[in-house]
Amino acid sequence: KQEVTQIPAALSVPEGENLVLNCSFTDSAIYNLQWFRQDPGKGLTSLLLIQSSQREQTSGRLNASLDKSSGRSTLYIAASQPGDSATYLCAANTGANSKLTFGKGITLSVRP
Amino acid sequence: DGGITQSPKYLFRKEGQNVTLSCEQNLNHDAMYWYRQDPGQGLRLIYYSQIVNDFQKGDIAEGYSVSREKKESFPLTVTSAQKNPTAFYLCASSISAGIHQPQHFGDGTRLSIL
Repeated sequence: KQEVTQIPAALSVPEGENLVLNCSFTDSAIYNLQWFRQDPGKGLTSLLLIQSSQREQTSGRLNASLDKSSGRSTLYIAASQPGDSATYLCAANTGANSKLTFGKGITLSVRP
Repeated sequence: DGGITQSPKYLFRKEGQNVTLSCEQNLNHDAMYWYRQDPGQGLRLIYYSQIVNDFQKGDIAEGYSVSREKKESFPLTVTSAQKNPTAFYLCASSISAGIHQPQHFGDGTRLSIL
C-alpha cells in the first residue's frame, strides 16, 4: 500500500529565501506525482505534475523534481514571498483511474 | 469561466439526517472524484466515477452514496450511517481517468454536526 510522507509538517522562513519542500513515497511504481497548494478554507490548486518518465517540471519560481528510485520528490520555491504562505501537498498516482495518495501537507509561512 | 463548483460552502447536519453535497463541472471532464479532508490528515478518496452512470468505491465509502446521471454533476450524499461526518469535502475532476491526467479541485464544502 502506497504511503506518502511530508516532513516537516510546518515551516517558517523569512521573505526572499529559496526553500525546498520534501515528499517521500514508499512504492516507487508511480505513474506521476502532483504538487498542490491549499489556502486556508479553500480547495486545492494544482501547481505541477511530473510524469514518471520525467525528472523535473518548472513553472515560474517553482521547480519540482522526481526521483522514483529513491522514492522522493522535492518542490523548490525560489525567492519566497509572503503570498507563498499556504499548505503544500504532494500526491502520488499509483494506479489506474488516477487514484491519488496524498501526504498530510507542509504548512509554509513566509515572514515579511 | 471553466471550473468546478461545490455547494453549499457550509452545511450542518442533524442527527439521523441525510445531506447532499453538490459538485458541478463545466470542464467537459469524464472523471470525477470525492475526497474527505480531516485536520492534520491527507485527503482520502470516498468515491470516484470514470464515466456517466458508473462509479466505484474509494478507500472510505461506508456511510456515503453517489450518483452520476449527468457528465457535469457528481453529488455526494452523507447518510445517517456515517457516524463521524464532520470534515471538509472536496470534489475533483480530470479529463479522463487515465493515469497521466491531473486532477482539478473545487473550493470544498465544510460539513458540521448540529
